[in-house]
Amino acid sequence: AQTVTQSQPEMSVQEAETVTLSCTYDTSESNYYLFWYKQPPSRQMILVIRQEAYKQQNATENRFSVNFQKAAKSFSLKISDSQLGDTAMYFCAFMNRDDKIIFGKGTRLHILP
Amino acid sequence: DTGVSQNPRHKITKRGQNVTFRCDPISEHNRLYWYRQTLGQGPEFLTYFQNEAQLEKSRLLSDRFSAERPKGSFSTLEIQRTEQGDSAMYLCASSLQGRDTYEQYFGPGTRLTVT
Repeated sequence: AQTVTQSQPEMSVQEAETVTLSCTYDTSESNYYLFWYKQPPSRQMILVIRQEAYKQQNATENRFSVNFQKAAKSFSLKISDSQLGDTAMYFCAFMNRDDKIIFGKGTRLHILP
Repeated sequence: DTGVSQNPRHKITKRGQNVTFRCDPISEHNRLYWYRQTLGQGPEFLTYFQNEAQLEKSRLLSDRFSAERPKGSFSTLEIQRTEQGDSAMYLCASSLQGRDTYEQYFGPGTRLTVT
């Protein structure tokens, strides 16, 4: 069975700093997708960034980038120039061909002014 | 279209009562998913539909839970004889299944409290 592990339950950083959220996963599949979702307080979940496992190049979306290490089954999220609006719960997630998303337990990120 | 919507947003019910939640997906999306999120945890998959067909149900979905998607549009999730352990956020997501499309868009959720 696939599992997703986020080892940092909570993190705090100062505004404008760079922060990295860790994620590891376990699967025997070779084709799959990885995601980082953001869930702000009392607001709905939105997709931050996605990575197809067959692509070696790390995905980037503006201030958000990932470090995808397929052999190590690691998928970390880097947020550059962090902003107050980045305060949220961040979930690492895995999806294989059956389209079910498996989420990690999340990392609560606080951006401090 | 403004995205996935869910109603009600909050529901408080007494143990033993039945409740029903509704999800309206993004209109052209053919897949619809239900997840459950308990406090401090990530969402867990419950079930999903391709058009009106229910393709898979998680073992988390006991016999007290039933989901439908008549005509492949909106979906309902019913919980019969609610228990305190059913208290959670119930999330709906939809996607357009295609060659390069697989992203799931989430609704705001229905928070259920069973007293």
